[in-house]
Amino acid sequence: AQKVTQAQTEISVVEKEDVTLDCVYETRDTTYYLFWYKQPPSGELVFLIRRNSFDEQNEISGRYSWNFQKSTSSFNFTITASQVVDSAVYFCALSEKGSTLGRLYFGRGTQLTVWP
Amino acid sequence: KAGVTQTPRYLIKTRGQQVTLSCSPISGHRSVSWYQQTPGQGLQFLFEYFSETQRNKGNFPGRFSGRQFSNSRSEMNVSTLELGDSALYLCASSLYSNSYEQYFGPGTRLTVT
Repeated sequence: AQKVTQAQTEISVVEKEDVTLDCVYETRDTTYYLFWYKQPPSGELVFLIRRNSFDEQNEISGRYSWNFQKSTSSFNFTITASQVVDSAVYFCALSEKGSTLGRLYFGRGTQLTVWP
Repeated sequence: KAGVTQTPRYLIKTRGQQVTLSCSPISGHRSVSWYQQTPGQGLQFLFEYFSETQRNKGNFPGRFSGRQFSNSRSEMNVSTLELGDSALYLCASSLYSNSYEQYFGPGTRLTVT
């Protein structure tokens, strides 16, 4: 079973629109970490954020915000006033404190295209 | 601080050959992980090394192996290459473990013909 599900394969928006990327995860561990990464066409995965399972506070960083809800096992990512430079594939990932230490489970990614 | 570097960036090999990819982590980082990215399977974990010891391994055949040196640099080797091994191989480094941010290198694009 997929530990991380990103149901949206592709999203297209026009510049300045807000867009939310969904991420649903599955784990039996009580201690785990969630991540978002951005992969531009160059291929390199760029770290965006890490949250631990004990911190459900939402976070805002400039135009980016993250909504972590343990009750629904979701960790959604919102880009406000999107820009063309936001076009990339976005990955949500999970790591567990248990036996799979050191391993990230990635979702399949959401391709975001922002049109001018 | 320099980021994660991977060499070579691009590689073309023939079926049956073997290949070695190299990864230099961020200075001070002791954990190195390797991932394979393909359009069909997405990002899949290969293995993770910490202080020269393999701590975790993904579901890949024994043809895939790796090692880590005392300076934390890591190599991965794929023997008897198959067409399906064509992929982007990404290396990530982190301070200690998966509880920390993993920073990725630019990847090595391997094409097997």
